[in-house]
Amino acid sequence: QVRLQESGPGHVKPSETLSLTCSVSGASLTSDSYFWTWIRQPAGKPLEWVGRIYTTGTTTYRLSLRSRATISLDAPNNQFSLTLTSVTAADSAVYFCAREEAAAGSFLNYYNYIAVWGKGTTVIVSS
Amino acid sequence: DIHLTQSPSSLSASVGDRVTITCRASQGITDSLAWYQQKSGSAPKLLVYGASTLETGVPTRFRGRGAGTDFTLTISSLQPEDFATYHCQQYYGNSITFGQGTRLEIK
Repeated sequence: QVRLQESGPGHVKPSETLSLTCSVSGASLTSDSYFWTWIRQPAGKPLEWVGRIYTTGTTTYRLSLRSRATISLDAPNNQFSLTLTSVTAADSAVYFCAREEAAAGSFLNYYNYIAVWGKGTTVIVSS
Repeated sequence: DIHLTQSPSSLSASVGDRVTITCRASQGITDSLAWYQQKSGSAPKLLVYGASTLETGVPTRFRGRGAGTDFTLTISSLQPEDFATYHCQQYYGNSITFGQGTRLEIK
C-alpha cells in the first residue's frame, strides 16, 4: 500500500523560501511509472495544483507558479520535494503531496487524476 | 486554464436522500474529470475518474456521469458518512484544475 507523508516547517517568513519534502513508502519514485505531485489548499479556498514530476525527472508547473516553484526527486531516499521561493501570505495553505496517475479515456485521449494523497502539512507565511 | 464551476456551492440533505452535484467546464474536456470527497481536516479521497469509473472500494451509491463540458456526481441514498465536501478536477493540456467545491451538510 502506497503511503505519502509531507514534512517541512510550519512557518515561513515573507520573501523567504519554502521547502517541503514528501516521503514515499510502498512504491518506487523512479521505477514505477507515475507522476509525483504537489497540491495546496488555502484556508477556505479551492484545491490548487502546484506541479508534478515524472519518474524521469521531467517537471510541469502551474503557470502562475512556474517562476518560483521547483519539484525534485531524491531517489536514494525515495522522496520528492517542493521548493517555493519569495513566498507571500498568499502561499499560506495546507500542502499535500500525492501520486498522480494517467489513464486512457474513451475519446482517444489520456487524462490524469490524483489517486493517492498524503495527509497534508500546514504552512503559514507570516513575519 | 480551464475553469470548473460546481453547483450548488452548498447543499443540505437528509440521510436516504438522492443528491446530484454538477460540475461544468469552461470548454470541452472529453471525459477527463475526476471527483473527490474531502472530510474536515483530512485529505481528499478519490471517488470517480474518467468521468464515470468508480475507484476501487467506493460504494456503488456514488455515480459519475457526463462528457464534454457537463458532469454530475450522484449519491443515490445518502449515508451519514457521506456528509463532506466534494471537488471535481479536470485534466487538459498537461495541467490540472479543481472546482470550488460543494459542501454537503445534514439537514
